[in-house]
Amino acid sequence: GAVVSQHPSRVICKSGTSVKIECRSLDFQATTMFWYRQFPKQSLMLMATSNEGSKATYEQGVEKDKFLINHASLTLSTLTVTSAHPEDSSFYICSANRGGGYTFGSGTRLTVV
Amino acid sequence: DAKTTQPPSMDCAEGRAANLPCNHSTISGNEYVYWYRQIHSQGPQYIIHGLKNNETNEMASLIITEDRKSSTLILPHATLRDTAVYYCIALGIQGAQKLVFGQGTRLTINP
Repeated sequence: GAVVSQHPSRVICKSGTSVKIECRSLDFQATTMFWYRQFPKQSLMLMATSNEGSKATYEQGVEKDKFLINHASLTLSTLTVTSAHPEDSSFYICSANRGGGYTFGSGTRLTVV
Repeated sequence: DAKTTQPPSMDCAEGRAANLPCNHSTISGNEYVYWYRQIHSQGPQYIIHGLKNNETNEMASLIITEDRKSSTLILPHATLRDTAVYYCIALGIQGAQKLVFGQGTRLTINP
């Protein structure tokens, strides 16, 4: 079946630094991937749609200069949280579309200290 | 995509059938009903989806009313590992559309 690998699973960084999260489709090509953020006891919030070879589409209220998305190949999308602050601490999850179905990564827990 | 409404929480005894309802009264003819679940601190897991016919797989059954305005996800023999938040989503099947999550139902399976 379709597998999406997300790395790292957990990261702690200092305020002001940048963190990169990778999302890979392991056994299929994904022209479109999605990035979500989830705060404790809340639902997943869609941040952006990542399109291979073109710019990402961000949801309203999501700062594109803070959350940089790169989808340079058909199997890899990256999310970089730039100049991270404690309020960026959250659970970040990626998803890839395959023929109408959606497969999710296992998530990355980011803690900014 | 059509809005869906689910109860915020439900409890079920281990070994019994868990029936999770979902209302999607504004669903359009080309929108499928998808069910995902999220176990604590993991990514969502696909369960099942359907258009208008009832569907069954190794995980669950999906019952969709004839008018398609509501559906029920059935876990036939719930186990403690089925404790999770269950999300019902109405989604058109054309292209890679955005999967937008509501609040879901927090299902707790009790021993």
